[in-house]
Amino acid sequence: EAGVAQSPRYKIIEKRQSVAFWCNPISGHATLYWYQQILGQGPKLLIQFQNNGVVDDSQLPKDRFSAERLKGVDSTLKIQPAKLEDSAVYLCASSRLYRSGGGTDTQYFGPGTRLTVL
Amino acid sequence: DQQVKQNSPSLSVQEGRISILNCDYTNSMFDYFLWYKKYPAEGPTFLISISSIKDKNEDGRFTVFLNKSAKHLSLHIVPSQPGDSAVYFCAASGNYGQNFVFGPGTRLSVLP
Repeated sequence: EAGVAQSPRYKIIEKRQSVAFWCNPISGHATLYWYQQILGQGPKLLIQFQNNGVVDDSQLPKDRFSAERLKGVDSTLKIQPAKLEDSAVYLCASSRLYRSGGGTDTQYFGPGTRLTVL
Repeated sequence: DQQVKQNSPSLSVQEGRISILNCDYTNSMFDYFLWYKKYPAEGPTFLISISSIKDKNEDGRFTVFLNKSAKHLSLHIVPSQPGDSAVYFCAASGNYGQNFVFGPGTRLSVLP
């Protein structure tokens, strides 16, 4: 079974520029997550999709970050404009389903995109 | 406000001995607790989980203990192996998988 794919693996940009990250989840996984991991910290959930609907985006800085999941499969995360404090690893994860009946499914993570903002 | 805390940034253990990684949480609404392991330049990988209705879950060399009254959980690795050297994250979520929160991680080094 192929894992979660992310691209690019590394990106260096100047502040105020735009950047986009792409994620392809494991086939058949209904739920997709984007995390931001700043050096020395644990991953922080930015947004959670079930199929192509948003379940939780309470920690997404919506003035500069946006995300979409077209057709409930691939997803893109965009930052526009980038700030120095956005330097981090952006992780995408997927799981089989969002359990409306209770419980939690294992999340499978991609390798991440390391963003450096200069 | 850190809802999930791992107060030890690092831990060193001799090969063959027990590794104990600790985690504390503040949100009493958490219902599921998970441990993830992360190697450099890779995403976290799931290790083991426990529901709030249990106090122990075992999977091979890995055992997670939950003390709900103390809002504390721990991961025991017995025996520890050099390949276990990684960063270990404790995570928690609500009973529908919502409000997923990771701790800051503990770097485990298993010395040969």
